[in-house]
Amino acid sequence: GAGVSQSPSNKVTEKGKDVELRCDPISGHTALYWYRQSLGQGLEFLIYFQGNSAPDKSGLPSDRFSAERTGGSVSTLTIQRTQQEDSAVYLCASSLALRGHEQYFGPGTRLTVT
Amino acid sequence: EDQVTQSPEALRLQEGESSSLNCSYTVSGLRGLFWYRQDPGKGPEFLFTLYSAGEEKEKERLKATLTKKESFLHITAPKPEDSATYLCAVRTSGGYNKLIFGAGTRLAVHP
Repeated sequence: GAGVSQSPSNKVTEKGKDVELRCDPISGHTALYWYRQSLGQGLEFLIYFQGNSAPDKSGLPSDRFSAERTGGSVSTLTIQRTQQEDSAVYLCASSLALRGHEQYFGPGTRLTVT
Repeated sequence: EDQVTQSPEALRLQEGESSSLNCSYTVSGLRGLFWYRQDPGKGPEFLFTLYSAGEEKEKERLKATLTKKESFLHITAPKPEDSATYLCAVRTSGGYNKLIFGAGTRLAVHP
């Protein structure tokens, strides 16, 4: 079946602009996660959704970062007033909450802030 | 603080030369240890989940094992297509469902 999809695959933006990154989870997966992978750093957790609620937002690095999920499906990660340090690959994952908790990742969005 | 450390950072093997990758962890309460494979430009691909010390799982040339302090990913007779970065992650009792990742081991298998 279809896996997790993310769009765009690449995004180049100017410092100070806002960006929106989209994630389509695997159909039927109720849990959705956003991670960030920077050069020289491991994968860093950002936020976790169960349905449309986000019980864990502990990884969002600043109030410029926000995310929402609608209809228990698609999620959007928004970064306002982008900074160069926001440049990274943003990865989305989804899981069946009650089955092993293994998370399946999308291909990521590579964000470059110039 | 929960922490995951992987070693070595990079490993170069000849085709057929078996070896092991290490993942050591310090966590408040382990609720699962996960191994992923990541190819350049792609998202991590799920390999294994281990839950308790003594547990082992196998898939083709890969075998993952777990103790109370570390996990090993054994690669038997590797092939060039096994070249990738292998990531270890833990889920803890205090962290909802988020995964805490190690920095990964970059494996290169040469013919």
